Amino acid sequence: GAVVSQHPSRVICKSGTSVKIECRSLDFQATTMFWYRQFPKQSLMLMATSNEGSKATYEQGVEKDKFLINHASLTLSTLTVTSAHPEDSSFYICSARVEASGGYNEQFFGPGTRLTVL
Amino acid sequence: GQNIDQPTEMTATEGAIVQINCTYQTSGFNGLFWYQQHAGEAPTFLSYNVLDGLEEKGRFSSFLSRSKGYSYLLLKELQMKDSASYLCAVLDSNYQLIWGAGTKLIIKP
Repeated sequence: GAVVSQHPSRVICKSGTSVKIECRSLDFQATTMFWYRQFPKQSLMLMATSNEGSKATYEQGVEKDKFLINHASLTLSTLTVTSAHPEDSSFYICSARVEASGGYNEQFFGPGTRLTVL
Repeated sequence: GQNIDQPTEMTATEGAIVQINCTYQTSGFNGLFWYQQHAGEAPTFLSYNVLDGLEEKGRFSSFLSRSKGYSYLLLKELQMKDSASYLCAVLDSNYQLIWGAGTKLIIKP
């Protein structure tokens, strides 16, 4: 199956710093990538949908100036958490969509990035 | 609004069978997915149903009834490693995944 990598897997930073998370589709091209956030014991929450070469579409309540998304190529999307605060501590997961004929769209998930803001 | 319901938690015994139900109300339907997620890890794909009926894949089977807005995931011969959260997700008319909150499955020896 398709492989999606995420880097770093774990990051600890001080409050006020910015953190960049990379998401790569290793063996396929993904026109659409998704960024999710998951708090403990909760389901995935979609933050934004990222299309290659265009601006990301953010879900309601997600600050686009705080969570900067860049989808520069068909295999790479980045999420930058700017001026991180302790409440931003969470598990961030990206996924890449494979669009097949007949409308079957499967999402492949990266392994996730555990962000801890002190 | 769009809504996906699944039980919060279930407990089963090693070697037994367990059925995790999922009901949905979405704007359009382009398929239903089941994912497995172990604590601290990303979800992994289990199954995809777009037509009514049962799809069997080893110890795991998934069933769909579009008229009833209902699906279930059936796990047979439960193993301790099956302890995880199981997420139901529906692809809506915009091809966006709508996620359930997940069912935490606890396997006891």
